[in-house]
Amino acid sequence: NAGVTQTPKFRVLKTGQSMTLLCAQDMNHEYMYWYRQDPGMGLRLIHYSVGEGTTAKGEVPDGYNVSRLKKQNFLLGLESAAPSQTSVYFCASSHNFVDTQYFGPGTRLTVL
Amino acid sequence: KQEVTQIPAALSVPEGENLVLNCSFTDSAIYNLQWFRQDPGKGLTSLLLIQSSQREQTSGRLNASLDKSSGRSTLYIAASQPGDSATYLCAVGDNFNKFYFGSGTKLNVKP
Repeated sequence: NAGVTQTPKFRVLKTGQSMTLLCAQDMNHEYMYWYRQDPGMGLRLIHYSVGEGTTAKGEVPDGYNVSRLKKQNFLLGLESAAPSQTSVYFCASSHNFVDTQYFGPGTRLTVL
Repeated sequence: KQEVTQIPAALSVPEGENLVLNCSFTDSAIYNLQWFRQDPGKGLTSLLLIQSSQREQTSGRLNASLDKSSGRSTLYIAASQPGDSATYLCAVGDNFNKFYFGSGTKLNVKP
């Protein structure tokens, strides 16, 4: 039982490049979330999903897109990376909204 | 928009002390509140989850309380140990499936 895994762990991009971050969970959770964590600012919700095929905007969705084609996977895409997107990205999942969130180990992204 | 504040930003205590971490939020219309622990370079680990209808939750040496009307939650750690050193974050869940995090309290427990 791996829990929540994130791929890749580290990535360096140049401004304007695109990439996709993959989050996978093996707990059969309905809810999945993408957050970013910046120094001194805590975590901020980017997008979330309440089930397969659904997505919704969080607090800071601009510049990101997401997809939830399979229940176990939640993808976060950056179409044209900007230096302001340099951050640590965390994925989380939960059975439902009243349940505990389980977090992945994070992806450290640097945009030059 | 929900604003979550954690004070102090950092705390250093000797081993064995009991301590209290604070979390305040601006909108009392919350669904639940969670306390997390984050170790350097790692993800978050859930410690306690309090539903809006509850007043407190306990797990081992940890006790979390919730006062919705005043917009406050506290995390009490009894008999602190060096292994408790980490950053502690609180997160407030609203009625629209969204969570808002505080910036955390960095705790250092000295042997």
